[in-house]
Amino acid sequence: KAGVTQTPRYLIKTRGQQVTLSCSPISGHRSVSWYQQTPGQGLQFLFEYFSETQRNKGNFPGRFSGRQFSNSRSEMNVSTLELGDSALYLCASRLQQGANYGYTFGSGTRLTVV
Amino acid sequence: GENVEQHPSTLSVQEGDSAVIKCTYSDSASNYFPWYKQELGKRPQLIIDIRSNVGEKKDQRIAVTLNKTAKHFSLHITETQPEDSAVYFCAASIYTDKLIFGTGTRLQVFP
Repeated sequence: KAGVTQTPRYLIKTRGQQVTLSCSPISGHRSVSWYQQTPGQGLQFLFEYFSETQRNKGNFPGRFSGRQFSNSRSEMNVSTLELGDSALYLCASRLQQGANYGYTFGSGTRLTVV
Repeated sequence: GENVEQHPSTLSVQEGDSAVIKCTYSDSASNYFPWYKQELGKRPQLIIDIRSNVGEKKDQRIAVTLNKTAKHFSLHITETQPEDSAVYFCAASIYTDKLIFGTGTRLQVFP
């Protein structure tokens, strides 16, 4: 059974540009969450999608957005990149929303903004 | 909203000793408490979890305890080995809400 797949693994962008990251969840998993991981802030929740609808949202500016497709694949987009957006972006999937379902993380996309 | 505090931020132990990492959550409605292990350069991996209707759960050398009254939960690793060296994250969530993580504990096990 394939795990959570994130592409690309590494990305270098310039300030002001925009970027799109992709996440394919484990087959059958319908919930996809995105987290930003930085050395100083740990794992910060961005948003969660379930059945193509955003169900939860973290405290990030509107430059961070996402979507989920009918096959449960998800993308997140960051517009007008800032140096502080440099981080490891992790996607996690679970079978359903709810306390009975743990997350499986992907390997992440490491974004560097220069 | 939910807040999770985790201590200590770093922990060094001798191989064979026990290690304990503690977390405190703010929202008494939280009902799911997983622990993740992240090795250097790798993804976080779920190692154990506990739900609010259970006080303790064990899996070989790893155990988690939950005190709902005090809103504390802890990870216990016995007979530590060098391969236990990693960053450990606790987390908490309420029903269908988002998973909120602690800030992590870097565990180093010295041979």
